[in-house]
Amino acid sequence: GAGVSQSPSNKVTEKGKDVELRCDPISGHTALYWYRQSLGQGLEFLIYFQGNSAPDKSGLPSDRFSAERTGGSVSTLTIQRTQQEDSAVYLCASSFGYGYTFGSGTRLTVV
Amino acid sequence: QKEVEQNSGPLSVPEGAIASLNCTYSDRGSQSFFWYRQYSGKSPELIMSIYSNGDKEDGRFTAQLNKASQYVSLLIRDSQPSDSATYLCAAPTNFGNEKLTFGTGTRLTIIP
Repeated sequence: GAGVSQSPSNKVTEKGKDVELRCDPISGHTALYWYRQSLGQGLEFLIYFQGNSAPDKSGLPSDRFSAERTGGSVSTLTIQRTQQEDSAVYLCASSFGYGYTFGSGTRLTVV
Repeated sequence: QKEVEQNSGPLSVPEGAIASLNCTYSDRGSQSFFWYRQYSGKSPELIMSIYSNGDKEDGRFTAQLNKASQYVSLLIRDSQPSDSATYLCAAPTNFGNEKLTFGTGTRLTIIP
């Protein structure tokens, strides 16, 4: 597609439920990133996929968070047993070389 | 020390004046630097990249890089109210790795 597509745009979930967030990167972009941004805060790195290499998971805050990227394209970020502190905007970005293009994000609210 | 550091602001500038945004970085190996603009409630948008020492101009925007001082800045000339946003500085902090580390951002308000 023309841009990075994320779905859903908004998600409200109950504490303890699992959620899946989807990212469809720009076609041909080999790198895909997940960040999250809490209200009024900076960007927090979560995970980075580059081609067929093992992902860089160094930013995942706990083992409740996981992500996969299928076929070098679409990625899914899964948060298990959601907590209120997981409430944030989850941003996906993709790149080919340096400089990212971000998607419009998924606003997750845990109630 | 944070890898990429910005003055958090907020910064207020009168319309038509020059806005100056500053960023320092800790990794001397960083070769490329990026400025993103983020409007409230929106995702970051890449507005400038710079790879060489000196200035790079694009319309009303000028990025300045000084690798010796590990300093990068963004100047916005003839500031407009539409420039009001948070500006994020970013750099890759591992050589050969495209992953960017972002500063916390500077909130800029242009006063009409």
